[in-house]
Amino acid sequence: ELKVEQNPLFLSMQEGKNYTIYCNYSTTSDRLYWYRQDPGKSLESLFVLLSNGAVKQEGRLMASLDTKARLSTLHITAAVHDLSATYFCAVERDNDMRFGAGTRLTVKP
Amino acid sequence: ETGVTQSPTHLIKTRGQQVTLRCSSQSGHNTVSWYQQALGQGPQFIFQYYREEENGRGNFPPRFSGLQFPNYSSELNVNALELDDSALYLCASSLPSALSPTFGSGTRLTVV
Repeated sequence: ELKVEQNPLFLSMQEGKNYTIYCNYSTTSDRLYWYRQDPGKSLESLFVLLSNGAVKQEGRLMASLDTKARLSTLHITAAVHDLSATYFCAVERDNDMRFGAGTRLTVKP
Repeated sequence: ETGVTQSPTHLIKTRGQQVTLRCSSQSGHNTVSWYQQALGQGPQFIFQYYREEENGRGNFPPRFSGLQFPNYSSELNVNALELDDSALYLCASSLPSALSPTFGSGTRLTVV
């Protein structure tokens, strides 16, 4: 069964600091996604990673994928308050998308 | 505005009742998936439809059913509502060539 684990579940950061969110999954997958969700809102797509060694960057966020280790990371550089949200990774296999429990990020001044 | 519209935005139903949630996708989005997101948790995959046929299903009982229509809209039906069905229900649709689905804003269902 495809399982997805994220850690940490809660993350409180100071502005300007760096941190990494980890996403482990249990079986081979077709695609790995990172989403952002603001309170009461829907999911916003951040990155789609397709192959081993894939790295994508957008602003202060960078995502990478290691399919051999079944691990993806979301790295936050020099955090700002606007990045406060819940971040989900999701793994898709055979038309079934499984989400992690999410990392609730709070960036404090 | 994501291009995927869900209705209603909020809904309160009584245990044992039936509910229909609706999702309207952009033209050409022939794949639609539905998810249940309980408070404080990640979304859970309910099922996916492709060209009006069920194309995958998660671990949800048969009282969760769906339909997809030729006009790219879809429905999620839940019978015999239980208190634990209270959640945010999200639909997501995509073009055949899309890398990532587009999520709607969701319907928040409360069962009392």
